[in-house]
Amino acid sequence: QQPVQSPQAVILREGEDAVINCSSSKALYSVHWYRQKHGEAPVFLMILLKGGEQKGHEKISASFNEKKQQSSLYLTASQLSYSGTYFCGTDNGSRLTFGEGTQLTVNP
Amino acid sequence: NAGVTQTPKFQVLKTGQSMTLQCAQDMNHEYMSWYRQDPGMGLRLIHYSVGAGITDQGEVPNGYNVSRSTTEDFPLRLLSAAPSQTSVYFCASSPDWTDTQYFGPGTRLTVL
Repeated sequence: QQPVQSPQAVILREGEDAVINCSSSKALYSVHWYRQKHGEAPVFLMILLKGGEQKGHEKISASFNEKKQQSSLYLTASQLSYSGTYFCGTDNGSRLTFGEGTQLTVNP
Repeated sequence: NAGVTQTPKFQVLKTGQSMTLQCAQDMNHEYMSWYRQDPGMGLRLIHYSVGAGITDQGEVPNGYNVSRSTTEDFPLRLLSAAPSQTSVYFCASSPDWTDTQYFGPGTRLTVL
């Protein structure tokens, strides 16, 4: 079952912050975040593991609440290059399932 | 390394035709998967494989077959194309599902 992302879309001005949320109805082993530019393939941003370990991006941070089966992606001081669709992927122990995506637009 | 390659990039089929979407990777990854992407529905998992000879169904497997005879290749077969299969198809590979997924460039399929 796909994880649920919110919001579906967000529009920012350059320099503003945004939070994208991801939740699952099933127990999770890890949460992945990817960004997709229009017409391109998704690109890896970050993995959050049980126990708090993170692997990924320098300027984007995220949290993973294992008990609530939720993750949030924090985009601070947004840049024009942050525009795209963000996907969370949830690992239930045997495969990776992605959410519907959050479309982020950063305007000058 | 070429990474993950997919062919063709674009394809138009008529209803009822069959075809195979090719996916290959040169990173010796065990885990490979196929997703379809439709507007507003994100990336939906079709089939996946944890190694040569092992495949399993994802969320939307109906109408698609896969096989994994080698580590490098993971073709996706459409048995009898339907307009509902019009989509963008992405193949991905990684050492395992817990690790970074490397996506191919995608195949845009239209079924008339």
